[in-house]
Amino acid sequence: EPEVTQTPSHQVTQMGQEVILRCVPISNHLYFYWYRQILGQKVEFLVSFYNNEISEKSEIFDDQFSVERPDGSNFTLKIRSTKLEDSAMYFCASSEVTGVYGYTFGSGTRLTVV
Amino acid sequence: SQKIEQNSEALNIQEGKTATLTCNYTNYSPAYLQWYRQDPGRGPVFLLLIRENEKEKRKERLKVTFDTTLKQSLFHITASQPADSATYLCAPLRGATDSWGKLQFGAGTQVVVTP
Repeated sequence: EPEVTQTPSHQVTQMGQEVILRCVPISNHLYFYWYRQILGQKVEFLVSFYNNEISEKSEIFDDQFSVERPDGSNFTLKIRSTKLEDSAMYFCASSEVTGVYGYTFGSGTRLTVV
Repeated sequence: SQKIEQNSEALNIQEGKTATLTCNYTNYSPAYLQWYRQDPGRGPVFLLLIRENEKEKRKERLKVTFDTTLKQSLFHITASQPADSATYLCAPLRGATDSWGKLQFGAGTQVVVTP
């Protein structure tokens, strides 16, 4: 069954450093998303991406965050200057259309900011 | 503001029984409602989607209902098994052209099935 692949599975970074989280969505999917989940809290929407541009973003997704689809397969989330409160699981997801047939999530990247 | 409520208390159930989970939403008129399963440290896994014009949807041992008048969805796991132990998330979704697929999740209900 097709999968969304995320790397790395765990990243530890120092506060103020830049991190890039990588995702390979399912190949025939057109819509891509990033979500995050702080430990013990609910899964929160960050951003959706379609046709090489951001479709929608949440209040969490401020100027420190950016997304990119640098080639035909990868989808990345960059955090420019990490804060302690950015520590969370980050999930990438993709869908064929706008989620009405369900989203496929990756296994996540656990980001720890120290 | 939009609100999604799921039972925060864990649901402990004996193997073979039916688990029933509730999802209530307010300030929302979703055209679709999705249910996901999440295991610890893993991403959500899509289970079922129900449309606003559907009263009930089934998939194997799972059944979902959607009452737009009550603003509620019920999720049933029949003949539950220990492998069904997980957290179950509901996610109402507005019409596809409205929201570009922004999915908002409830906090989830943990189900624990004991042998």
